[in-house]
Amino acid sequence: DVKVTQSSRYLVKRTGEKVFLECVQDMDHENMFWYRQDPGLGLRLIYFSYDVKMKEKGDIPEGYSVSREKKERFSLILESASTNQTSMYLCASSYPVGGTDTQYFGPGTRLTVL
Amino acid sequence: GDSVTQMEGPVTLSEEAFLTINCTYTATGYPSLFWYVQYPGEGLQLLLKATKADDKGSNKGFEATYRKETTSFHLEKGSVQVSDSAVYFCALGDAGNNRKLIWGLGTSLAVNP
Repeated sequence: DVKVTQSSRYLVKRTGEKVFLECVQDMDHENMFWYRQDPGLGLRLIYFSYDVKMKEKGDIPEGYSVSREKKERFSLILESASTNQTSMYLCASSYPVGGTDTQYFGPGTRLTVL
Repeated sequence: GDSVTQMEGPVTLSEEAFLTINCTYTATGYPSLFWYVQYPGEGLQLLLKATKADDKGSNKGFEATYRKETTSFHLEKGSVQVSDSAVYFCALGDAGNNRKLIWGLGTSLAVNP
């Protein structure tokens, strides 16, 4: 069974802190994604990665960076957390099997920045 | 560019009622279409998908048909249950980058006993 795990379900940080959100998938998927989900705004893509050490900006990359040193792990980094980054963060992975790939999601991390 | 438009929620129904959640899209080419569901406190999971025109995706009593002529992919269920209370997202494959999905804003469904 497909499994995507995220390091924390809930996280509280202070403004200015460096924050790491970790995502691990056990399916040998090539593609991994970070989204944030906010009420009324749906899912917005922050960054995605299609291979180790490869990344592409999504729709809202400002204030975020990512790291993919191993195929199974994709990290989202908030260099200096701000209150407007309080949100639900969702990680997903996918594998190309012709056409558009089905994405598999983790349970999410609800981040609060005080 | 490509986009997805879902009916706004929240939608409130009584148990055993018929459900329709409208989804229309704008896209170049013939993208794959998806419905995802997010139960309270959880991540999203794939509910069903269709990869070409006139395909019908189905799962857990839900159905959606890929209608090219009306550019629609409406989600239907004949008899909803309390356990179907969730947020439903329509999405389409990005023609410019088929690794990515373009998402609707989601429709919240509450089913009362």
